[in-house]
Amino acid sequence: EDQVTQSPEALRLQEGESSSLNCSYTVSGLRGLFWYRQDPGKGPEFLFTLYSAGEEKEKERLKATLTKKESFLHITAPKPEDSATYLCAFGKGKAAGNKLTFGGGTRVLVKP
Amino acid sequence: DAGVTQSPTHLIKTRGQQVTLRCSPKSGHDTVSWYQQALGQGPQFIFQYYEEEERQRGNFPDRFSGHQFPNYSSELNVNALLLGDSALYLCASSLGPGNTIYFGEGSWLTVV
Repeated sequence: EDQVTQSPEALRLQEGESSSLNCSYTVSGLRGLFWYRQDPGKGPEFLFTLYSAGEEKEKERLKATLTKKESFLHITAPKPEDSATYLCAFGKGKAAGNKLTFGGGTRVLVKP
Repeated sequence: DAGVTQSPTHLIKTRGQQVTLRCSPKSGHDTVSWYQQALGQGPQFIFQYYEEEERQRGNFPDRFSGHQFPNYSSELNVNALLLGDSALYLCASSLGPGNTIYFGEGSWLTVV
């Protein structure tokens, strides 16, 4: 059965303390691995799509990487405004970008 | 450039009632997907609408139905509400049924 698991569930960081979030998946026919950021009470905000093992994408202090079994979201020198829940999801089939299966998310708190 | 807009933002319904949630896609987008997000969990795919037809459906009962209008806006209807239907309902849109989705802020539904 296709599934995606995120770890840790929660992460407390000091400002400037870099860390990584893990997204492990078992999917046949993966068409895309997606990362979203969600602030409390808001809808998810799109960050990255990764399509093949070895691919990397960056945006400000965030960098996403993909292997055949995992994706990592690296947060470099985080600031308090990086506090949010980070969601990963996979897509497959012809509706790959639309019919996403999400993990449970990692809640990140960055303290000043 | 208007993003995805949803209404209402919050509503409270009684068990057994029916509810209609509305969504306008991001400017230029023609495909709408709906997700349910329970507290502390990742979003779950309900269904996708493209060209005014339901194209993909997740594991949700027939009590959940939808519609897409010629202007690409969409409605989500839930009949015979259960306490377990209390959640954040997210609408997402994309340009085409296979492309990356962008979420609205959601409609919070509480069933009492």
